[in-house]
Amino acid sequence: QKEVEQDPGPLSVPEGAIVSLNCTYSNSAFQYFMWYRQYSRKGPELLMYTYSSGNKEDGRFTAQVDKSSKYISLFIRDSQPSDSATYLCAMRQEYGNKLVFGAGTILRVKS
Amino acid sequence: DAGITQSPRYKITETGRQVTLMCHQTWSHSYMFWYRQDLGHGLRLIYYSAAADITDKGEVPDGYVVSRSKTENFPLTLESATRSQTSVYFCASSESRTWGGYTFGSGTRLTVV
Repeated sequence: QKEVEQDPGPLSVPEGAIVSLNCTYSNSAFQYFMWYRQYSRKGPELLMYTYSSGNKEDGRFTAQVDKSSKYISLFIRDSQPSDSATYLCAMRQEYGNKLVFGAGTILRVKS
Repeated sequence: DAGITQSPRYKITETGRQVTLMCHQTWSHSYMFWYRQDLGHGLRLIYYSAAADITDKGEVPDGYVVSRSKTENFPLTLESATRSQTSVYFCASSESRTWGGYTFGSGTRLTVV
């Protein structure tokens, strides 16, 4: 079983929809949780970054971490065609520098 | 230009040949990483380095060699390329003291024929 599980999609939604992307994990030692966005033929870029449990909001994006359920989510409000990309969750333990990535979810926002 | 650059962007090589992928960063980040990205597997760590002259294996190191004689460079060498090494390779860097995630390069798309 992988340490981090992520549904690969693709997830197709109409413009303006609320999108929910999720990851589950098995290692209770994970403390840092990230979401990366990757456009086609580009490298991943950091989108959201949270430490431990709770919510974090940045514009149309909200990241949630539920450590009791080992479940993290990324919500995108008022989705735009420019949000079409692959979204990767990633996480790491308190100490050390190695990230563990999910497989990525392909999102397509149709105009 | 500041950032992390990978070269070449695209490479086609023959089975059995040695090929080196280059990675250069301008921030003096202490950590550098090599990942490969394949459909169905996501990003898998090949090797990483915590500082110059310090390297360690990741999840899928077989068939690869790395070196880090200077902080800013972290080349990845495929000693004898195989078709299973056809993939997109990403280099990344991060700073340990003010950790804010990894910064990735644009990737090298390698095809082994």
